[in-house]
Amino acid sequence: DTEVTQTPKHLVMGMTNKKSLKCEQHMGHRAMYWYKQKAKKPPELMFVYSYEKLSINESVPSRFSPECPNSSLLNLHLHALQPEDSALYLCASSQEGRVSPLHFGNGTRLTVT
Amino acid sequence: GEDVEQSLFLSVREGDSSVINCTYTDSSSTYLYWYKQEPGAGLQLLTYIFSNMDMKQDQRLTVLLNKKDKHLSLRIADTQTGDSAIYFCAESMGGKLIFGQGTELSVKP
Repeated sequence: DTEVTQTPKHLVMGMTNKKSLKCEQHMGHRAMYWYKQKAKKPPELMFVYSYEKLSINESVPSRFSPECPNSSLLNLHLHALQPEDSALYLCASSQEGRVSPLHFGNGTRLTVT
Repeated sequence: GEDVEQSLFLSVREGDSSVINCTYTDSSSTYLYWYKQEPGAGLQLLTYIFSNMDMKQDQRLTVLLNKKDKHLSLRIADTQTGDSAIYFCAESMGGKLIFGQGTELSVKP
């Protein structure tokens, strides 16, 4: 069982919808991440939060909006997405520090119609 | 560059050993990681090795690190059908995790 919990597991949304992905961890980790993964490809980093502050944004389009309400929660707000945004969205967490291993959730499978 | 390279496919028979290879680029990487991804699931951290180590063993898993050649390998002893998955190696670089393309391991009964 993963210690990083993501909801929902599956999401289908139209291009005009607004939805949110949620992630929660209770390992006391102070860094949290959003990754996007296409089928049989490696995950691509989107955002990093460190101590609840956004520290890395990998030039992600503004239709993706991250939010870190507290040290255990991470959200990804979605608006006006495109069909090519369909992918598996993975949340991860780690202890603060450059060498800490990342622990991943099972992801949200997003389909944009 | 930031390339971490792996072969894309590996097929083995159940009970054989599997060896998945990876080459990385950043000689200053402190830790190197192996992740496993089963269909429909997230990435599971299998093991990681500190860059001043040559080898790490954990039950059926053996990680070998050749720092001179920047080569990392993962050996799975007595491979089972449940080991069928995609295996990603990764190095830490600039606060980010750089993944290889993943090796799809197929275990035939």
